[in-house]
Amino acid sequence: DTGVSQNPRHKITKRGQNVTFRCDPISEHNRLYWYRQTLGQGPEFLTYFQNEAQLEKSRLLSDRFSAERPKGSFSTLEIQRTEQGDSAMYLCASSSQSNQPQHFGDGTRLSIL
Amino acid sequence: GQQVMQIPQYQHVQEGEDFTTYCNSSTTLSNIQWYKQRPGGHPVFLIQLVKSGEVKKQKRLTFQFGEAKKNSSLHITATQTTDVGTYFCADPGGAQKLVFGQGTRLTINP
Repeated sequence: DTGVSQNPRHKITKRGQNVTFRCDPISEHNRLYWYRQTLGQGPEFLTYFQNEAQLEKSRLLSDRFSAERPKGSFSTLEIQRTEQGDSAMYLCASSSQSNQPQHFGDGTRLSIL
Repeated sequence: GQQVMQIPQYQHVQEGEDFTTYCNSSTTLSNIQWYKQRPGGHPVFLIQLVKSGEVKKQKRLTFQFGEAKKNSSLHITATQTTDVGTYFCADPGGAQKLVFGQGTRLTINP
């Protein structure tokens, strides 16, 4: 069990630029989740996949956000035309099935200049 | 929509004192999970409670699920500096997306 891996760990970019983050879940986990966490708050759900199917998207996920999990393994989260309010920690988690604990990665911290 | 309220937001204790955080839901929960996040770290799963009135212990940590399955608590006996962090309760909800409380940040004076 190598754990959930996310990269990059940190991303600093100018407002208006596009960014893409990657998440590699625990290999046998078919469920993958994206969350966003701002300082002093709990993580907020963004979207989740079961295998390659994106089953739910939060209203937090504006049209500028898109997530993919093309082969049911790793996932990418892209933010287009970044805004100041996108600055946050983006966490990925995976689980083997429903009602099982979610295992989180170390996150990607996004800072918008 | 789903809401999970957690109190207190902050708690500072002397090492050796006890600590309790409380979690309340606006709806009946099927189960509840607890996570710990160390400063600069990511949430780490602690436990899941499923049954009404359930009590589970992990060494100095005691977790309770209310009879009505609308509230839960985490109690730490005789805190140690390694207990520092933010403790979150989370409602897995119908689609297994986690709805987190705001968390209780625990700091400890050695």
